[in-house]
Amino acid sequence: QVQLQESGPGLVKPSETLSLICSVSGGSISGSTYHWGWIRQPPGKGLEWIGSIYYSGSTYYNPSLKSRVTISVDTSKNQFSLKLSSVTAADTAIYYCARTYCSTTSCSEIDYWGQGTLVTVSS
Amino acid sequence: SYELTQPPSVSVSPGQTASISCSGDKLENKYVCWYQQKPGQSPVLVIYQDSKRLSGIPERFSGSNSGNTATLTIRGTQAMDEADYYCQAWGSSTVVFGGGTKLTVV
Repeated sequence: QVQLQESGPGLVKPSETLSLICSVSGGSISGSTYHWGWIRQPPGKGLEWIGSIYYSGSTYYNPSLKSRVTISVDTSKNQFSLKLSSVTAADTAIYYCARTYCSTTSCSEIDYWGQGTLVTVSS
Repeated sequence: SYELTQPPSVSVSPGQTASISCSGDKLENKYVCWYQQKPGQSPVLVIYQDSKRLSGIPERFSGSNSGNTATLTIRGTQAMDEADYYCQAWGSSTVVFGGGTKLTVV
């Protein structure tokens, strides 16, 4: 059973960089049929995809966040990470890490989610 | 960018059938999946690749996708099905979510 666990600061100051790590257990992050990504959910609102990464390092980002987002992978630690720069109060949300199933031509469902971690942007 | 549109809310009586729609341009050409999210919990995948049900998901949940609209159907809706439901598709190398539908069982 694959498990994902987010970790990182729960409070970030405005204009600073939000940094989170997702640790994967029960399966290798180097599998060829999955992307590993981040989704966020502002309190009381819907889901927003941030981006994802393939184990080779290929990245895919939400165009609306692309200028501020960096997702990287560390296969030796079976982890991947998120950095979101120049944060504002609008970036306050529950951040989930997740696994997306992908074929050779496209991706489809997110089959495993972390429990989520609340990150608040405030001075 | 690709967009998916869901109704903000749907109400259903216990035991009746609930239908939640998800619309997008030529959506039938994409795989659609559905997530259920209850308060304070992570989303749970209930339908994937338009109509496949994940192991452990009750048979009363089903999905379809035709034309510009995908539909999640819950037959014999139970109180435990009250939750937020999100559709999702993969478009132009990005994951796209619908805005979510709050299902109320009254």
